[in-house]
Amino acid sequence: EAGVVQSPRYKIIEKKQPVAFWCNPISGHNTLYWYLQNLGQGPELLIRYENEEAVDDSQLPKDRFSAERLKGVDSTLKIQPAELGDSAVYLCASSSGGYTGELFFGEGSRLTVL
Amino acid sequence: GQQLNQSPQSMFIQEGEDVSMNCTSSSIFNTWLWYKQDPGEGPVLLIALYKAGELTSNGRLTAQFGITRKDSFLNISASIPSDVGIYFCAGQGGGSNYKLTFGKGTLLTVNP
Repeated sequence: EAGVVQSPRYKIIEKKQPVAFWCNPISGHNTLYWYLQNLGQGPELLIRYENEEAVDDSQLPKDRFSAERLKGVDSTLKIQPAELGDSAVYLCASSSGGYTGELFFGEGSRLTVL
Repeated sequence: GQQLNQSPQSMFIQEGEDVSMNCTSSSIFNTWLWYKQDPGEGPVLLIALYKAGELTSNGRLTAQFGITRKDSFLNISASIPSDVGIYFCAGQGGGSNYKLTFGKGTLLTVNP
């Protein structure tokens, strides 16, 4: 069974440029999460989806970040415009239920903003 | 908000040694989980604990859910080089308070 797939693995952009990350969760997992991981820190939740509905986006900086999961499967996280402080790893995770802590993470997308 | 204190921050040990790391919280949790992250990879779940006092093993790994529900520890016995990585504890509240709170991680280095 394929795991959570993310792309790109690495992205280097200049500040003020846009960037997008894509995630394909484990087949059958209705719950999808985007996490932010800064260097030396644990993951922090940005947004959680149940199917196509964003049920918790309270920690998503909505002035520059947006996310979508149109058909309840794949998801895209976008940053526009990127700032220097956005340099981090963006992790996608999925789970079989909304309240479990047993998450399956992708390999992450490492963003460097110059 | 809730904060987890994970210690030690890093450990450097010899292959074959046992390792112990722990996590404490200012708040109670209903679930404690331990994840491991290899370089360049996402975290992988090692052990999940659902009941205060619970002691659970997964191969050479043993974890316990503290009686106060504010702490948890992870032990690794007879360490091997592939145990190298960052170990994260995570706490989860109950019901609609589902969000995971992660510690800052313990970096484990194993010298062959």
